[in-house]
Amino acid sequence: DGGITQSPKYLFRKEGQNVTLSCEQNLNHDAMYWYRQDPGQGLRLIYYSQIVNDFQKGDIAEGYSVSREKKESFPLTVTSAQKNPTAFYLCASSADRDEKLFFGSGTQLSVL
Amino acid sequence: DAKTTQPPSMDCAEGRAANLPCNHSTISGNEYVYWYRQIHSQGPQYIIHGLKNNETNEMASLIITEDRKSSTLILPHATLRDTAVYYCIVRGYSGGGADGLTFGKGTHLIIQP
Repeated sequence: DGGITQSPKYLFRKEGQNVTLSCEQNLNHDAMYWYRQDPGQGLRLIYYSQIVNDFQKGDIAEGYSVSREKKESFPLTVTSAQKNPTAFYLCASSADRDEKLFFGSGTQLSVL
Repeated sequence: DAKTTQPPSMDCAEGRAANLPCNHSTISGNEYVYWYRQIHSQGPQYIIHGLKNNETNEMASLIITEDRKSSTLILPHATLRDTAVYYCIVRGYSGGGADGLTFGKGTHLIIQP
């Protein structure tokens, strides 16, 4: 089945640790996105990529990094510089920037 | 992209039509209205979108007023599985606005048995 796979579903981070969230899609989509969602809030854009080897900062990129070495993969690293990382992280993709978004099932990140 | 205003929550009886309003008074001529929904602890799901004509698909209908300053998403026969947060988003196409969609807090629709 085509879709977006995020892993792991739950992730715990220790103080000062970097963690990486995985996002893989087999929809052959060019555009991929990372969003952060805090309890009771909407989604905020962290980073997006319209094409391989290129990505742009969203509204809340500080403390995060991404890479886009392959079309199907867009991993997100939450660095130790992100002081409040506890949130629900959602990855999405679209055929191009004008098309509807398809979302993964999310990763819940918590700090130990 | 234009800003949208939605009520924070709504109730609807199971089997009845659920009508979710959205105000987007600053919408410009090339901006589309999109609706997504998010069931608890899952990723948002696309429902429908439109420019100025009313649209219908297997999930819902979208009614856009003639002046395009507001719209209504209609779920014709709501079921318990339609309980979710519904997001109304206005988005311009290439050349207008930032990439990605901006999701506000949406409307929490609760279907009552």
